[in-house]
Amino acid sequence: DVKVTQSSRYLVKRTGEKVFLECVQDMDHENMFWYRQDPGLGLRLIYFSYDVKMKEKGDIPEGYSVSREKKERFSLILESASTNQTSMYLCATSRVQLQFFGPGTRLTVL
Amino acid sequence: TQLLEQSPQFLSIQEGENLTVYCNSSSVFSSLQWYRQEPGEGPVLLVTVVTGGEVKKLKRLTFQFGDARKDSSLHITAAQPGDTGLYLCAGNAGNNRKLIWGLGTSLAVNP
Repeated sequence: DVKVTQSSRYLVKRTGEKVFLECVQDMDHENMFWYRQDPGLGLRLIYFSYDVKMKEKGDIPEGYSVSREKKERFSLILESASTNQTSMYLCATSRVQLQFFGPGTRLTVL
Repeated sequence: TQLLEQSPQFLSIQEGENLTVYCNSSSVFSSLQWYRQEPGEGPVLLVTVVTGGEVKKLKRLTFQFGDARKDSSLHITAAQPGDTGLYLCAGNAGNNRKLIWGLGTSLAVNP
């Protein structure tokens, strides 16, 4: 079974803080994704990576950056957290377009 | 812009009832997937359909891909409270790593 783990289930941060969300997978998948999920807006792709050190912007990359130094780890960075980044953040990996998700991180920015 | 529209948006039924939810688009997809998400968790892949007209069954769940590969349906027979969750469809429009996501159908099955 694919296992995708995320560093925190719940996180509370203050406006202006730098926030790191980490995702680790154990199945050697090339592709990894970061989404945010908000009521009424569904899953929106922030960034994805198809190889180590390779990344592509998704639909809503503003205010975020990513890092993929190792194949199994994909990090999402909020350079200066804002209240409108309060959301559920989901990491996923994929093989042959089938996506496997982590449990999510519920981030609240105060 | 490719879109996947899911209907209904919300559904509340009694245990034992049957239901069908829909995922529609004006675009052709090379494959369509269905996921179920429980509150506070990530989506879990249920099935993928790739051939027009394909029907797949997963216990009490029946998934169908439209002949033109533009739409899909999920039918649940004799729903149980454990079926409660958000059902999401997602499509791949070609040789693309990204998926197009519907907004989901939120299903509540009451005992």
